[in-house]
Amino acid sequence: GAGVSQSPSNKVTEKGKDVELRCDPISGHTALYWYRQSLGQGLEFLIYFQGNSAPDKSGLPSDRFSAERTGGSVSTLTIQRTQQEDSAVYLCASSLGDSSRYFGPGTRLTVL
Amino acid sequence: SQQGEEDPQALSIQEGENATMNCSYKTSINNLQWYRQNSGRGLVHLILIRSNEREKHSGRLRVTLDTSKKSSSLLITASRAADTASYFCATPRGGSYIPTFGRGTSLIVHP
Repeated sequence: GAGVSQSPSNKVTEKGKDVELRCDPISGHTALYWYRQSLGQGLEFLIYFQGNSAPDKSGLPSDRFSAERTGGSVSTLTIQRTQQEDSAVYLCASSLGDSSRYFGPGTRLTVL
Repeated sequence: SQQGEEDPQALSIQEGENATMNCSYKTSINNLQWYRQNSGRGLVHLILIRSNEREKHSGRLRVTLDTSKKSSSLLITASRAADTASYFCATPRGGSYIPTFGRGTSLIVHP
């Protein structure tokens, strides 16, 4: 595809359930970023992948959050035992090094 | 923690007027980027300005950077209703390639 895609676009889950959010970056982009945005707020950095280097996980808010990037392409963000405060829009972006970041449309997560 | 902060938080103008948004940041940077976000979804990259640049143009957009004041401004000239969106500045986190974002300026352009 031409841009970054994310799935699902919307996810409603019950408190305590696990969720997986997927990001397909632009082909060839070596860097991949996950952010989350709560209503009316700025973007909160979560995790950064760059090539084969160890990811920068310093933004993950708790050990319930994890992410992986398989084959240097697709990434999955997993939230275990979801809480209501996890409700937000989760945004993925990719870039070629330090160039412009291209964002996906986001996944809106609602935890009931 | 947030590196950049936009000002004002909200801006409401009439079509045809100019809109100016400001961004202040805390530590030295090698570049600063501006993004637009429509309807709380994906962000669109607008302009990247490097630390050795003072001004950059792209269509109706003009970005300035003053590294001595650690501030940047985004000017949208002859605004249109379609410019209604939130605008964010982003600066690198520490010495990394990770952009950090402020809370944004919400711009409303009335037709």
